[in-house]
Amino acid sequence: NAGVTQTPKFRVLKTGQSMTLLCAQDMNHEYMYWYRQDPGMGLRLIHYSVGEGTTAKGEVPDGYNVSRLKKQNFLLGLESAAPSQTSVYFCASRKGAGTDTQYFGPGTRLTVL
Amino acid sequence: RKEVEQDPGPFNVPEGATVAFNCTYSNSASQSFFWYRQDCRKEPKLLMSVYSSGNEDGRFTAQLNRASQYISLLIRDSKLSDSATYLCVVTYNNNDMRFGAGTRLTVKP
Repeated sequence: NAGVTQTPKFRVLKTGQSMTLLCAQDMNHEYMYWYRQDPGMGLRLIHYSVGEGTTAKGEVPDGYNVSRLKKQNFLLGLESAAPSQTSVYFCASRKGAGTDTQYFGPGTRLTVL
Repeated sequence: RKEVEQDPGPFNVPEGATVAFNCTYSNSASQSFFWYRQDCRKEPKLLMSVYSSGNEDGRFTAQLNRASQYISLLIRDSKLSDSATYLCVVTYNNNDMRFGAGTRLTVKP
């Protein structure tokens, strides 16, 4: 039981390049989330999904797209990376709504030059 | 104004000390409240949920004051291993979780 995994762990991009971050969970959780964490800002929700085939915007969705084709995977895409997207990205999952615990992946450190 | 505000610290305390962190939130429609712990360059992990009646887990006590829109975390008998950043988290509609920027704690021998 690996919990929540993220790939890659680190990445450096040039402005305008695209990439996809992969999040996978093996806990059969319905809900999955993508956050970014910047110094002094706390975690901010980018997009989330309440089930396979569904996605919704969070607090800071601009410049990102997501897909949840399989229940266990949640992909975050950057179509045209910008330096403002330099951040640490965390994926999280949760069994359902309410007070269930969110389990976080180890994070992806992305630098956009 | 940030929706969830925390004193960033750092709080530097000796082993055995009692330390308290505060958190205020601006949206009165908030439904659920949590404290998460984040070690340096690691992912956040749930420390404890916060209930209206207050709750305790070993050396940790969490309190919620809905009228004042205020949450607190008390750590008694601090250990070196308590050194971390503590994140206050407020949930609005099951999926809208808002995180504070965190309070950094360093416990020294």
